[in-house]
Amino acid sequence: GEDVEQSLFLSVREGDSSVINCTYTDSSSTYLYWYKQEPGAGLQLLTYIFSNMDMKQDQRLTVLLNKKDKHLSLRIADTQTGDSAIYFCAESSGSARQLTFGSGTQLTVLP
Amino acid sequence: KAGVTQTPRYLIKTRGQQVTLSCSPISGHRSVSWYQQTPGQGLQFLFEYFSETQRNKGNFPGRFSGRQFSNSRSEMNVSTLELGDSALYLCATSPSGHGARFTEAFFGQGTRLTVV
Repeated sequence: GEDVEQSLFLSVREGDSSVINCTYTDSSSTYLYWYKQEPGAGLQLLTYIFSNMDMKQDQRLTVLLNKKDKHLSLRIADTQTGDSAIYFCAESSGSARQLTFGSGTQLTVLP
Repeated sequence: KAGVTQTPRYLIKTRGQQVTLSCSPISGHRSVSWYQQTPGQGLQFLFEYFSETQRNKGNFPGRFSGRQFSNSRSEMNVSTLELGDSALYLCATSPSGHGARFTEAFFGQGTRLTVV
């Protein structure tokens, strides 16, 4: 079945760039997503990329997709303390109305 | 535009009881999906509804059920609650639905269910 993997923790200094990585196994993945979850809250959609794209940029966020290696990354430029949260990678195979999530990466931004 | 609204935000129930959770989608969104989030299993898909019909189902026992109304609002029900059902239950709504391209899913704040 589908599987999405992420590293569990990442710490960066305020002002540095953060890079959160994700790998997936489903070759039929159509859309790949990044969600952010703050304590006690639901999931906030940050961005998503269609599988025929290599890169997508949205303000401080850059998503890179290596379809050959099934590797997705999220780069946050100029990371701020407000970016501290859990970041989830998710995939959808397009025809299924469901997302498969990774375990989430806890990003801690140090002052 | 109002976001996805889930009620109640918090619930405490006793083992063996049943519970009903509600999800009101963003206006115009017709697809509603439900997820269970626990520390041990992470985020797991429960089921998805579109046009009052369940379209997809995850790997959960029959104690977990749902329905969708004509105004796209959805409810999920868990019967005979077990301690392991304690979790954050999230719903997500999408402007797309069955047969259409699925692009974005917007989540509510969730319902925190504690079973004691």
